[in-house]
Amino acid sequence: DAGVIQSPRHEVTEMGQEVTLRCKPISGHDYLFWYRQTMMRGLELLIYFNNNVPIDDSGMPEDRFSAKMPNASFSTLKIQPSEPRDSAVYFCASRTGDTEAFFGQGTRLTVV
Amino acid sequence: QKEVEQNSGPLSVPEGAIASLNCTYSDRGSQSFFWYRQYSGKSPELIMFIYSNGDKEDGRFTAQLNKASQYVSLLIRDSQPSDSATYLCAVSLGYIPTFGRGTSLIVHP
Repeated sequence: DAGVIQSPRHEVTEMGQEVTLRCKPISGHDYLFWYRQTMMRGLELLIYFNNNVPIDDSGMPEDRFSAKMPNASFSTLKIQPSEPRDSAVYFCASRTGDTEAFFGQGTRLTVV
Repeated sequence: QKEVEQNSGPLSVPEGAIASLNCTYSDRGSQSFFWYRQYSGKSPELIMFIYSNGDKEDGRFTAQLNKASQYVSLLIRDSQPSDSATYLCAVSLGYIPTFGRGTSLIVHP
């Protein structure tokens, strides 16, 4: 398995634009997590899915953020409209059972 | 609210020494404990996991868990410059890992 795959690796966008981050979890994993990492706040859980169903989105900072998982092999995190304070590294991770979470390579988002 | 606390460091140790990284957590019901290593610009990768009280050894790494004190630690023996990274402690209640902010470790030759 190629591991968790995220795209794009880097994204630079202007304030107010819509940004869509993509994630392909490891096949067979039934949990998918979206994290945001910044120097100030560390690694924060934004939302997680179990069997494609959103379970807890209490970490999503604002209504500008939304996430979907239309099937077991694909998830998106969308920010609309984007703001400079959204600049961070966004990680997708997946796991099954009580194993460790495997992380994708992350998307470095810069909003100017 | 679940909290995982780590000293941000940096922790600086000479090559060949033992590095000791510590983590405390607030949720007494936590069941699984993980240590991840993250190199600058890279994603976190698992080093160790531990579920039961006591020590667990894997090569140069030893994880220690004390549930009564809500404390988990990672020892790195014979530290190498390649161990220089940020070490993240993660604690799971159920299947949802909560991460600490990480401790930066610098191993100098």
